[in-house]
Amino acid sequence: SQQGEEDPQALSIQEGENATMNCSYKTSINNLQWYRQNSGRGLVHLILIRSNEREKHSGRLRVTLDTSKKSSSLLITASRAADTASYFCAPMDSNYQLIWGAGTKLIIKP
Amino acid sequence: DVKVTQSSRYLVKRTGEKVFLECVQDMDHENMFWYRQDPGLGLRLIYFSYDVKMKEKGDIPEGYSVSREKKERFSLILESASTNQTSMYLCASSFADPGQGTYEQYFGPGTRLTVT
Repeated sequence: SQQGEEDPQALSIQEGENATMNCSYKTSINNLQWYRQNSGRGLVHLILIRSNEREKHSGRLRVTLDTSKKSSSLLITASRAADTASYFCAPMDSNYQLIWGAGTKLIIKP
Repeated sequence: DVKVTQSSRYLVKRTGEKVFLECVQDMDHENMFWYRQDPGLGLRLIYFSYDVKMKEKGDIPEGYSVSREKKERFSLILESASTNQTSMYLCASSFADPGQGTYEQYFGPGTRLTVT
């Protein structure tokens, strides 16, 4: 299956700053999901945006989706040390399978 | 809270051994998945199941088989372990009906398997 791609591969910012991660994919999708993985809690679902939505918010998270450009972005505002993790976008294709990229490694510096 | 458990966090096996990885979920999910995760490659789907005794191949099924005898349990079997199967194995589950959920997947903590 075709992979989604996250950009950048790694991101290091100061605590309190905003972090933006981007995702591109190649196929038509039903929805697009973002997940976070850290050593403490494993891989956890963060937010889902449907193909007919353009923007979605959840707490400090803001996700956008542009199906014409086959891209999505995840914004984390007012970052905290606990946000240090790898972030994966996972578009869901027409067969209801998630397409995974290699992730963005986010480091929040105190 | 949904809970997905995996039988072992760490496992060391020898080349040629038969390896069983067990996964149990407590949310009555129809769908269950097995992935492997390797650095720089993200998650790759090995097998998935939409119902009891049902299985479908994912992207990399070679060298693996699965068993789903009960709805809550999905087992991954390495018939003859090889060193290139050294990896992190993640189990996940989800609802099948979008009316019940949104197809988000819930993951277990993972099993780090080393084959020597």
